[in-house]
Amino acid sequence: GNSVTQMEGPVTLSEEAFLTINCTYTATGYPSLFWYVQYPGEGLQLLLKATKADDKGSNKGFEATYRKETTSFHLEKGSVQVSDSAVYFCALRRKNTGFQKLVFGTGTRLLVSP
Amino acid sequence: NAGVTQTPKFQVLKTGQSMTLQCAQDMNHNSMYWYRQDPGMGLRLIYYSASEGTTDKGEVPNGYNVSRLNKREFSLRLESAAPSQTSVYFCATMPSGGGDTQYFGPGTRLTVL
Repeated sequence: GNSVTQMEGPVTLSEEAFLTINCTYTATGYPSLFWYVQYPGEGLQLLLKATKADDKGSNKGFEATYRKETTSFHLEKGSVQVSDSAVYFCALRRKNTGFQKLVFGTGTRLLVSP
Repeated sequence: NAGVTQTPKFQVLKTGQSMTLQCAQDMNHNSMYWYRQDPGMGLRLIYYSASEGTTDKGEVPNGYNVSRLNKREFSLRLESAAPSQTSVYFCATMPSGGGDTQYFGPGTRLTVL
């Protein structure tokens, strides 16, 4: 079946540190891949996405590259801010399935201190 | 535009009580979803609705029912609440026919004692 595996958190960093949150997936075919972010007390919102191999999604200084050979979609940011503290979810959607359902990972909490 | 709204924001129930969680959207999206979020388990799909008048079970439908009242509204009902249903519930929508971004409501935090 389809699944997403994320690194367990929390990830604790100081401001301006480099961030990597690992995400690997299992899916038949070539899914679309997403990162969603959940700020405290809010619902999830799309951070970035990639729809085919070697695509790079980027937004707000975050990047992730769709790696078919390693079935990965790791999230990176060169210099985190306190305001980036949130829970980050990796997700996939199989294409051409007739209905659009997302499969989410368990989420990784990021805590950034000043 | 309000986007996706959910009511109530918080609710405490006793075991065996019933309640309905409401979700409404003004985005004119066809697809709507109900998820629950539990620590260490991410988001799990309870029910979804591809369009007005249709609903289908997701990954964890037991103990829940849904109604797609019209295009705007998708409600989730707990007929006899159990402590295992303590969770944060999110409603989401997605446009059909292109685009694959889901838009989430702010959530309802439910505690069943």
